[in-house]
Amino acid sequence: EADIYQTPRYLVIGTGKKITLECSQTMGHDKMYWYQQDPGMELHLIHYSYGVNSTEKGDLSSESTVSRIRTEHFPLTLESARPSHTSQYLCASSDLGGREETQYFGPGTRLLVL
Amino acid sequence: TQLLEQSPQFLSIQEGENLTVYCNSSSVFSSLQWYRQEPGEGPVLLVTVVTGGEVKKLKRLTFQFGDARKDSSLHITAAQPGDTGLYLCAGERKNSGYALNFGKGTSLLVTP
Repeated sequence: EADIYQTPRYLVIGTGKKITLECSQTMGHDKMYWYQQDPGMELHLIHYSYGVNSTEKGDLSSESTVSRIRTEHFPLTLESARPSHTSQYLCASSDLGGREETQYFGPGTRLLVL
Repeated sequence: TQLLEQSPQFLSIQEGENLTVYCNSSSVFSSLQWYRQEPGEGPVLLVTVVTGGEVKKLKRLTFQFGDARKDSSLHITAAQPGDTGLYLCAGERKNSGYALNFGKGTSLLVTP
């Protein structure tokens, strides 16, 4: 059982609001990721981090930002939400020293922007 | 460009039937993973295959990695309603900058 948590699980907000999606893991993993997943589409990597103070953009352009001040915490922020941001957001983590890249996923946050 | 192609995209079968889903690419992967995702949840790792030609079994699920490490298959024997979900394959390429490329998934429905 993976120990990675996301809050909130569901969020409905109006356009223009600032939101932060929380992700925490208790496995001591160095690597953390944010994916965006839409129905019938593959998971798209939007941000990743190799450790504290490390953040990189993924292969899908995103207007969101992330921070990594603590190993266990990797929040994602949208400064001004728009309907195009409606999606499911998945957080994952993995062990930097692992032999293979096994990623453990949180339950996801389903975001609806009206 | 889709790096990993999964087929079929949708599959609806009855309990007790066998099925195979495929994950294909023109790229070589150092490892390939299969995940299952249930509605409203995140993907959960089923298996990782790393050696060309490798076969791994997980109860009624059999996973195979192609000899050239470009493709993989998942075979389910005597499917059960509990097997219903989205099956995702993900390939790891060394020196890619970041780790996994995911396919779009195969959505499986097993009816009693």
